[in-house]
Amino acid sequence: KQEVTQIPAALSVPEGENLVLNCSFTDSAIYNLQWFRQDPGKGLTSLLLIQSSQREQTSGRLNASLDKSSGRSTLYIAASQPGDSATYLCAVLFYYNQGGKLIFGQGTELSVKP
Amino acid sequence: DAGVTQSPTHLIKTRGQQVTLRCSPKSGHDTVSWYQQALGQGPQFIFQYYEEEERQRGNFPDRFSGHQFPNYSSELNVNALLLGDSALYLCASSSRKANQPQHFGDGTRLSIL
Repeated sequence: KQEVTQIPAALSVPEGENLVLNCSFTDSAIYNLQWFRQDPGKGLTSLLLIQSSQREQTSGRLNASLDKSSGRSTLYIAASQPGDSATYLCAVLFYYNQGGKLIFGQGTELSVKP
Repeated sequence: DAGVTQSPTHLIKTRGQQVTLRCSPKSGHDTVSWYQQALGQGPQFIFQYYEEEERQRGNFPDRFSGHQFPNYSSELNVNALLLGDSALYLCASSSRKANQPQHFGDGTRLSIL
């Protein structure tokens, strides 16, 4: 069964701290992995997309890594700010669902305190 | 460049009623997927439309149906509404070109009384 798990479910950090969010998946045959941000009551904003052939992607203060062999991805946020407070979701497009069915984790709710 | 747009933003229905949700994809996108997100959970895939046909379907009953129009916009229909259908319904669009990210709309919040 294709599953995606995110740990921790919630995280609270002081402003300025660097932090890592974790995502694990059960099947290494993935097509790509996408990290999203979701603000309360809102839709999903795509942050980073990592292709299966890539090891990492960077955008500003965000860096996402991918290790297919261990079934893990991490999202690193540098110098966190209160505006980073949101729920972060990891979604995997497994190889056999190339048509577009994303499998999501439960999300990590991040709170950055001023 | 407009992103993915969904309507309505909020909807309140009673059990047994039927509902139609609408989605316009991002310009240049030809594929639309629908997801259901219950409170505190990750989104769950309902189905995907491409070339006006349902291409993939998740584990949802036949009460959930959809349609895609020639202009690539899409509708999600849910019949015989249940209390458990209360959720945020998200539409995502993408291009059939390989390895392109999916873009999501702000969703429709459906509440069943």
